[in-house]
Amino acid sequence: GQNIDQPTEMTATEGAIVQINCTYQTSGFNGLFWYQQHAGEAPTFLSYNVLDGLEEKGRFSSFLSRSKGYSYLLLKELQMKDSASYLCAVRERWNTDKLIFGTGTRLQVFP
Amino acid sequence: DTAVSQTPKYLVTQMGNDKSIKCEQNLGHDTMYWYKQDSKKFLKIMFSYNNKELIINETVPNRFSPKSPDKAHLNLHINSLELGDSAVYFCASSQDLVTGELFFGEGSRLTVL
Repeated sequence: GQNIDQPTEMTATEGAIVQINCTYQTSGFNGLFWYQQHAGEAPTFLSYNVLDGLEEKGRFSSFLSRSKGYSYLLLKELQMKDSASYLCAVRERWNTDKLIFGTGTRLQVFP
Repeated sequence: DTAVSQTPKYLVTQMGNDKSIKCEQNLGHDTMYWYKQDSKKFLKIMFSYNNKELIINETVPNRFSPKSPDKAHLNLHINSLELGDSAVYFCASSQDLVTGELFFGEGSRLTVL
């Protein structure tokens, strides 16, 4: 079966660091994605991990451990505009474009 | 220029009606998708087309029929609408098979009364 779990909601303060976790159980694995979705808008791509380790991109970093079926998205120096939903998605096979999404984590950043 | 555009953005209709949502991408991508996002924000793939050919069809009722007249367009027609069809429908496209990055349209919010 397919199962992708994320916390439903998180809150944090402007300027702080927040870590959003994602655990997955899928029949195969060929990449994990993070997307950001502001309320009422389309999801936009943030990061992609296929090998274990940390990928850093500005204030955002994403980590993957394939043996643990675990990833996290780290957001540093939080800004109010980072208030959004963060969606974790897994691609089961490399020769397919099909992504399986988790239910997303709604992050609220407070001043 | 909007990369992936969908119309209409909002659609309110009665149960039993038939409606269509159109999608166009100007990114030159070969693959296009329809995703459905329900009230709990769960995003689930419905269909994917590669160069006008159906690749993925995810256990979707046959009231939903996608049509791809060319690789830049993927339309979704829904017959006999039901209350449970109320959702936001996102069109997306991709080209990079390595990263599989999806480019989403702004979504079409369908409300069935």
